[in-house]
Amino acid sequence: NAGVTQTPKFQVLKTGQSMTLQCAQDMNHNSMYWYRQDPGMGLRLIYYSASEGTTDKGEVPNGYNVSRLNKREFSLRLESAAPSQTSVYFCASSEDVSNQPQHFGDGTRLSIL
Amino acid sequence: SQQGEEDPQALSIQEGENATMNCSYKTSINNLQWYRQNSGRGLVHLILIRSNEREKHSGRLRVTLDTSKKSSSLLITASRAADTASYFCATDARFLDRGSTLGRLYFGRGTQLTVWP
Repeated sequence: NAGVTQTPKFQVLKTGQSMTLQCAQDMNHNSMYWYRQDPGMGLRLIYYSASEGTTDKGEVPNGYNVSRLNKREFSLRLESAAPSQTSVYFCASSEDVSNQPQHFGDGTRLSIL
Repeated sequence: SQQGEEDPQALSIQEGENATMNCSYKTSINNLQWYRQNSGRGLVHLILIRSNEREKHSGRLRVTLDTSKKSSSLLITASRAADTASYFCATDARFLDRGSTLGRLYFGRGTQLTVWP
């Protein structure tokens, strides 16, 4: 049972480049989330998807887009990467949105030069 | 501003000692959760305590919640080197949100626990 799988694990981009972070879960969860973690800031919610077909903004959505491709997959896209988006990105899932425990992937470490 | 704040920021103890971490928050909550993060890994859920509960146990973990003081504590008894990690509290915070609020957890900055053999 893999849980939540994120790809890639590491990525270096140049300013202005675009890329998509992938996330898949095999727990049949309805809800999925994208967070970023910066030193000294804790985790901040970027976007989430309460259920297949819906997405909502979190605390820090600017510069990002998301797609809930199906129940298993939730991707995060940076259209034009900026150095301020250098961070560790975590995907998580939960059974539903009623503040159930969330299950996290191991993160994507993204550096933007 | 952060909904949850852990204290202390860093804690260093010897194996066998107990470790206590605290979390304070600002608004009414439905539940509070504690997570652990090992270096280079994702967060792992430890325990969830609901607003109508005062104490909860799971193995060597004990969590208390005082809604009148808006605070929670996580106690790890008889700590081991393998407990070395960062510990985060997370709360929902409905009044901080605009529009849909379900599903939003607010994490603190964490307590870095180091347990020396």
